[in-house]
Amino acid sequence: AQSVSQHNHHVILSEAASLELGCNYSYGGTVNLFWYVQYPGQHLQLLLKYFSGDPLVKGIKGFEAEFIKSKFSFNLRKPSVQWSDTAEYFCAVRAGNTPLVFGKGTRLSVIA
Amino acid sequence: DAGVIQSPRHEVTEMGQEVTLRCKPISGHNSLFWYRQTMMRGLELLIYFNNNVPIDDSGMPEDRFSAKMPNASFSTLKIQPSEPRDSAVYFCASSSIRGQGNYGYTFGSGTRLTVV
Repeated sequence: AQSVSQHNHHVILSEAASLELGCNYSYGGTVNLFWYVQYPGQHLQLLLKYFSGDPLVKGIKGFEAEFIKSKFSFNLRKPSVQWSDTAEYFCAVRAGNTPLVFGKGTRLSVIA
Repeated sequence: DAGVIQSPRHEVTEMGQEVTLRCKPISGHNSLFWYRQTMMRGLELLIYFNNNVPIDDSGMPEDRFSAKMPNASFSTLKIQPSEPRDSAVYFCASSSIRGQGNYGYTFGSGTRLTVV
């Protein structure tokens, strides 16, 4: 069964700093990859997804992620974070027809 | 579209009581998922349905948990009897079977359950 590892439990950044959140998955076959965001007190919302084609995926709010197949990674990046990016970020993988498997999440705190 | 609708938003109950959580998926979606979110374990898949049929309930923690989907527009997750360790946020999500890889899931707002 596939699994997802998110390396950072809690990241604290100042506004305008660059962000990179790590995500690694374990599965040898074809996968679909997702990043979800959960703002405080809200439900999960899709940030971006990869299913084929260009491994550099652009999502909403200036986020992007790069799929590196050889490293089984799908790291999330943003060049300059804002206070409003404070949230929890979940990486998820889907292999074949199985349901999404989520990582444990990374909490991002952006301070002024 | 109103999205995935869950009720209640918050539930506080005493240990031993029965709890029923409800979910209305997006119209036209034929896959429905129940997840539980806790600080310790993150998001765990409890059970999912395709076309109203339970496909995999291996994530249901104990026999105290049961889920039903009597029709395409409604699902329940029941805990009987409830215990304090069941306290968590329970999310329902839906998707179309064919669109899962392309579009992921749409999540409801969750039910925050507190068992005292």
